[in-house]
Amino acid sequence: KAGVTQTPRYLIKTRGQQVTLSCSPISGHRSVSWYQQTPGQGLQFLFEYFSETQRNKGNFPGRFSGRQFSNSRSEMNVSTLELGDSALYLCASSQTGTPYEQYFGPGTRLTVT
Amino acid sequence: GENVEQHPSTLSVQEGDSAVIKCTYSDSASNYFPWYKQELGKGPQLIIDIRSNVGEKKDQRIAVTLNKTAKHFSLHITETQPEDSAVYFCAAIKTDKLIFGTGTRLQVFP
Repeated sequence: KAGVTQTPRYLIKTRGQQVTLSCSPISGHRSVSWYQQTPGQGLQFLFEYFSETQRNKGNFPGRFSGRQFSNSRSEMNVSTLELGDSALYLCASSQTGTPYEQYFGPGTRLTVT
Repeated sequence: GENVEQHPSTLSVQEGDSAVIKCTYSDSASNYFPWYKQELGKGPQLIIDIRSNVGEKKDQRIAVTLNKTAKHFSLHITETQPEDSAVYFCAAIKTDKLIFGTGTRLQVFP
């Protein structure tokens, strides 16, 4: 079975721009969660989608948003980028729609200049 | 609040020795405790997990123990190998979200 895939792997954007990241979960997994990883804050939960509905949300500003499609693929959008948004954005999928047994993708490295 | 503390932040061991990483959590309602291994340039990989109705779980050279009363859990790696070198993260569930520890950088020297 193929693992979680994320595109693009690397991205460089300018402050004020917006960005969209994509995640394809493991086949059969209906839950997709997004995390931000930085050296200072570690791994932080952004939000989780299950069956196209946002089920849970972390403590991030409204500039961070996401959606899930009927095939379980998910996108994450960050608007009005700030320098502090530079991070590794990780997507994880699970079969059950809970944090149990989440499997991560390789991440998208976003650099904001 | 949401808090998972992880120690030590770095750990160096000789190949063949054992390594132990410890985590404590704050929410007594937490019932799931996974451990992830992250190698350079890769996403975290789930290596073992334990639920609150179990005190210990073992998978080959890796074991996890849970003490619910003290709210702490530990990862034990025996007979360490150079390929075990990575950053290890513990996590606990709080309000249906995974809260991660700050990570332990394990270096195994041949």
